[in-house]
Amino acid sequence: EDQVTQSPEALRLQEGESSSLNCSYTVSGLRGLFWYRQDPGKGPEFLFTLYSAGEEKEKERLKATLTKKESFLHITAPKPEDSATYLCAVLGGGTSYGKLTFGQGTILTVHP
Amino acid sequence: NAGVTQTPKFQVLKTGQSMTLQCAQDMNHNSMYWYRQDPGMGLRLIYYSASEGTTDKGEVPNGYNVSRLNKREFSLRLESAAPSQTSVYFCASSFKTLGTEAFFGQGTRLTVV
Repeated sequence: EDQVTQSPEALRLQEGESSSLNCSYTVSGLRGLFWYRQDPGKGPEFLFTLYSAGEEKEKERLKATLTKKESFLHITAPKPEDSATYLCAVLGGGTSYGKLTFGQGTILTVHP
Repeated sequence: NAGVTQTPKFQVLKTGQSMTLQCAQDMNHNSMYWYRQDPGMGLRLIYYSASEGTTDKGEVPNGYNVSRLNKREFSLRLESAAPSQTSVYFCASSFKTLGTEAFFGQGTRLTVV
């Protein structure tokens, strides 16, 4: 069974204080690892897809990286508007064919 | 572009009542999904439809039925609502089932009393 564990559960940062969120996973035949951002009362908003170890993607202050066991979402010089819950999900190719498995999410709060 | 549209946004049901949650996407996506999101449980897949005319069970299908009405629309039905089905429901769609990102609707907050 595919599993995704995100850490920490919650992270408080000061504006400009860079940090990283972790997503550890076990999956049979990784077909993709996805990062989403979710604001309160809204649906998840797609950020990145990573397909293979060593791959990196960047968008504004966010950078996602992938190894064979985990992914990191690096946040450089965050701003208060980066406050949200960040979700990681994996798409496996084994018995979970076609099913995204989500982690619990990391609640990020950036204080001005 | 509207993207993925869900109706209603909020609903309160009494135990035993039935209802259908509607979902439509305008991105010409082939695959559609229904998830529920509960505190401490994350997003869990209820049912998905890899393509028009097909549906498959996800992680938590009991108590639900789905219909892929056409390529655009995918509905979720609760035949006899139970308090355990109180949750936020999200519909999502993707171009393919494999390897492509899913786009989510705004959610339906359902309370069963």
